[in-house]
Amino acid sequence: DTGVSQNPRHKITKRGQNVTFRCDPISEHNRLYWYRQTLGQGPEFLTYFQNEAQLEKSRLLSDRFSAERPKGSFSTLEIQRTEQGDSAMYLCASIETGGLSGANVLTFGAGSRLTVL
Amino acid sequence: AQSVAQPEDQVNVAEGNPLTVKCTYSVSGNPYLFWYVQYPNRGLQFLLKYITGDNLVKGSYGFEAEFNKSQTSFHLKKPSALVSDSALYFCALMTSGTYKYIFGTGTRLKVLA
Repeated sequence: DTGVSQNPRHKITKRGQNVTFRCDPISEHNRLYWYRQTLGQGPEFLTYFQNEAQLEKSRLLSDRFSAERPKGSFSTLEIQRTEQGDSAMYLCASIETGGLSGANVLTFGAGSRLTVL
Repeated sequence: AQSVAQPEDQVNVAEGNPLTVKCTYSVSGNPYLFWYVQYPNRGLQFLLKYITGDNLVKGSYGFEAEFNKSQTSFHLKKPSALVSDSALYFCALMTSGTYKYIFGTGTRLKVLA
């Protein structure tokens, strides 16, 4: 198992363009999360999935943001009509739910850095 | 509403000295608390967690943290700091049953040789 994989690692785009990020979680992990992190700040929750179901979406996510996890495996995060304020690191994380404690450790990918010019 | 606070933006400590990185939380249910470390251009790496049981939890790289319910704190500690410990540290909170993790704003630790 190679851990959580995110692609591309870095994306530079012009304002107004659409971008898509992909996350491949650890194979047995059924919950997948997206976070956004700006320089010097903590990760901000965007959304998460239980298998293919999107369970919660942050109010931070405008209508320009959409995330999918079509078969409960990989996930995509799309940003339409990008703005300079969207420049950030987009982090994906996954966990396997269940277990005696009912709480598991998030495993993060290395992130996808978006720069909007 | 649940929240996590890291009151210090930066902590400086001399190599070999003990270090403490502070974290306080606010939650209505039972808290599950975590510490993560982030090195430049890398994702977050798990250090340790508190779920239940002993208030003192031990984690990776010699780090430990003490859960204090009365003070709603979960401070990260290490008896002897290394230069290689210099990084960004995040405290995180999850309320049992929700699986939604909330992160603090982070504390930059600088260990000086």
